[in-house]
Amino acid sequence: QVQLQESGPGLVKPSETLSLTCTVSGDSISSYYWSWIRQPPGKGLEWIGYIYYSGSTCYNPSLKSRVTMSVDTSKKQFFLKLSSLTAADTAVYYCARTQMRYYYMDVWGKGTTVTVSS
Amino acid sequence: EIVLTQSPGTLSLSPGERATLSCRASQSVSSSYLAWYQQKPGQAPRLLIYGASSRATGIPDRFSGSGSGTDFTLTISRLEPEDFAVYYCQQYGSSLPFGQGTKVEIK
Repeated sequence: QVQLQESGPGLVKPSETLSLTCTVSGDSISSYYWSWIRQPPGKGLEWIGYIYYSGSTCYNPSLKSRVTMSVDTSKKQFFLKLSSLTAADTAVYYCARTQMRYYYMDVWGKGTTVTVSS
Repeated sequence: EIVLTQSPGTLSLSPGERATLSCRASQSVSSSYLAWYQQKPGQAPRLLIYGASSRATGIPDRFSGSGSGTDFTLTISRLEPEDFAVYYCQQYGSSLPFGQGTKVEIK
């Protein structure tokens, strides 16, 4: 059974860069896209972007200038970096398996809470 | 970029009633790329419907999806206590936007 687990710092300072890791277990990393999604407190879902095992990426245009995604297939991990943080980036960050043909997210991690504060 | 607008914002219903949730796209989209998710407080979203009308694995048949073009609907035929949650639609275009969500609450 495929499982995803997010990890990273719970607290980061404004203007710094957030680094998150998503570890995949129970499935191949090469047959899907892998997305990051976030949810500010009390608000809706915002798709950040996805990455393929080859390293090709697609980012939300509204975040593109600040987002970098990468992948380590040997460790079955993929990564999110979000730079120039502000309080508006405070959110629960989820990683999710994304089906390549129809782009829906069928397996989600539990999410990790990130607070941006000095 | 496609914008998805969900209505109503909140739906107040009783268990056993029928729920009809709407998702409207700012431009015509392929129904193959329309998905619905359920999210309960403190939990990650769960995929309900993909391809506008196909139920995901393990999803009860009281959940159904329909629509095409710019108008899509999620229907819950008879609400069970565990169905009270927030529901999001999501579409593939140049990105993967979500709608703003519809909360189904107990009346």
